[in-house]
Amino acid sequence: GENVEQHPSTLSVQEGDSAVIKCTYSDSASNYFPWYKQELGKGPQLIIDIRSNVGEKKDQRIAVTLNKTAKHFSLHITETQPEDSAVYFCAAPKGNAGNMLTFGGGTRLMVKP
Amino acid sequence: ETGVTQTPRHLVMGMTNKKSLKCEQHLGHNAMYWYKQSAKKPLELMFVYSLEERVENNSVPSRFSPECPNSSHLFLHLHTLQPEDSALYLCASSQVYSDYEQYFGPGTRLTVT
Repeated sequence: GENVEQHPSTLSVQEGDSAVIKCTYSDSASNYFPWYKQELGKGPQLIIDIRSNVGEKKDQRIAVTLNKTAKHFSLHITETQPEDSAVYFCAAPKGNAGNMLTFGGGTRLMVKP
Repeated sequence: ETGVTQTPRHLVMGMTNKKSLKCEQHLGHNAMYWYKQSAKKPLELMFVYSLEERVENNSVPSRFSPECPNSSHLFLHLHTLQPEDSALYLCASSQVYSDYEQYFGPGTRLTVT
């Protein structure tokens, strides 16, 4: 089955700085990598995802990069704002278990004004 | 109502009580999921339903009993829970069972006393 490790568990940045969160996965057959943002009192919301046929995907201030050889993918947030403060989760397909996702442990991002 | 809704948002119950959590999705999706989110642990998949049929049961204790009367509604019936079952219970849906892209509800915060 898939094992997903996420680092760091907490990250504090100054407003305007960049933030990078990294995940590693174990199953080389995995082909879909989403990132979720969970704000206080809410459920996780999908913010960006990438499939294994591309190496990078951008959406305004957020981007995800994928290195299939090293089996890791990263979330990049540029020009961080206080509203980016949340817990971020990565995920990867759960190996042979159909479309199920295995989630990373989460990163609490705090953006200081 | 839009997206995925869950009721109640907060629930406190004794170990001998019976209660139910409700989830409703307004997205026209065919697959629904129950997840457990505990402090400092990754999201744990509990159950998956596709077109009202249970397709995944992730070794969940029998004190948790899911029910899916139609593709828009999902219930989690709870009885004789333990304090360690206290957690945030999240419902999610996806277009079809084979679709990785999942949409989450806000969750029910359950406290077992």
